[in-house]
Amino acid sequence: KAGVTQTPRYLIKTRGQQVTLSCSPISGHRSVSWYQQTPGQGLQFLFEYFSETQRNKGNFPGRFSGRQFSNSRSEMNVSTLELGDSALYLCASSLVPGQGTSTGELFFGEGSRLTVL
Amino acid sequence: GDSVTQMEGPVTLSEEAFLTINCTYTATGYPSLFWYVQYPGEGLQLLLKATKADDKGSNKGFEATYRKETTSFHLEKGSVQVSDSAVYFCAQVFHGSGNTGKLIFGQGTTLQVKP
Repeated sequence: KAGVTQTPRYLIKTRGQQVTLSCSPISGHRSVSWYQQTPGQGLQFLFEYFSETQRNKGNFPGRFSGRQFSNSRSEMNVSTLELGDSALYLCASSLVPGQGTSTGELFFGEGSRLTVL
Repeated sequence: GDSVTQMEGPVTLSEEAFLTINCTYTATGYPSLFWYVQYPGEGLQLLLKATKADDKGSNKGFEATYRKETTSFHLEKGSVQVSDSAVYFCAQVFHGSGNTGKLIFGQGTTLQVKP
């Protein structure tokens, strides 16, 4: 069974640009979440999508946005990039409550490492 | 608010030593608890989990017991190997309450095992 796939794995942007990251969840998983990981702040929750709707949102500015498609694939977008947006962006998928043997665990991809110059 | 606190790292051990990484949580109810591991350059992998009090999660020689009375979920391994060198994250979630996908993570503990 294929795991969570994130593309691209690495990218370099300059301040003011925008970036789109893509995530394909594990087959059958309907929830997709995004996290930002930095050395200083650790793992921070960005948002979660289920049935193409944002269900939860973390404390990030509106420059960070996402969406989910009908096949559960998800994208996140960061506009007007700042140096502080340099991070590893992790996507995770999961079953939803009541779906199979769901107990809340997330399954993570390998991440997209964004460097902003 | 809800939170997870892990012991400060880095933790440096010799091969075959006993490992304990402390984790405590604060929550208004009874969350599901997890340990994740992150190897260099990779994403997070679920190591083990426990969903109710007194549950013991175990995997690859690692164990952790959900202790409601002490709100703890300490990670242990009897004999570590060099290949266990990684960053370990403790996390909690209230599954089914609308918080699906929103894990609360500890700050991570780096483990270095020397041969």
